[in-house]
Amino acid sequence: DQQVKQNSPSLSVQEGRISILNCDYTNSMFDYFLWYKKYPAEGPTFLISISSIKDKNEDGRFTVFLNKSAKHLSLHIVPSQPGDSAVYFCAAYSNYQLIWGAGTKLIIKP
Amino acid sequence: DAEITQSPRHKITETGRQVTLACHQTWNHNNMFWYRQDLGHGLRLIHYSYGVQDTNKGEVSDGYSVSRSNTEDLPLTLESAASSQTSVYFCASSDPGTSGSYEQYFGPGTRLTVT
Repeated sequence: DQQVKQNSPSLSVQEGRISILNCDYTNSMFDYFLWYKKYPAEGPTFLISISSIKDKNEDGRFTVFLNKSAKHLSLHIVPSQPGDSAVYFCAAYSNYQLIWGAGTKLIIKP
Repeated sequence: DAEITQSPRHKITETGRQVTLACHQTWNHNNMFWYRQDLGHGLRLIHYSYGVQDTNKGEVSDGYSVSRSNTEDLPLTLESAASSQTSVYFCASSDPGTSGSYEQYFGPGTRLTVT
């Protein structure tokens, strides 16, 4: 049973608009979450994280929101740029390991 | 700069052969991980190690083994390669105890094809 779910396999967004990527989790004991970005033929790279003591964390164009009661987090990218086209993974930290979602492929249209 | 490298980057092998994928990190991290990535499954954990001489099975460990004889290296061995093991393999490392971060650092991946 998947503990971290990304229900949208792909998302297409116009350049300059907001991209919103969603992630749901089932284990209420998870208290730290990370987003990774992955380009083809490369390893995933860390993007942004959030602790459960916060409900929002910003880093430049990237903001992650955490709704603990709904067990839901989202990544907002504003404005979206062509270089943001990649696969985005959500992960939850648990006992030195990361529990991964299946990923969402983001396509930024010109 | 510290890094994590994987070799080879691409490998084609035949069913039944033994294959070893190398992973080397210069972060001096205690924790190392092997994942496979398949379409629709994200990253699935194969094996992991929390230090020298420590190895543990992940969710998809059947047919794979690892050994940790030093801090820098965690080679992944496919004992008898099967077509179901055709995948992209990623090695990662982390050390929350010293870095203060839960982030894992990834290598560039090895694309393995079993024919």
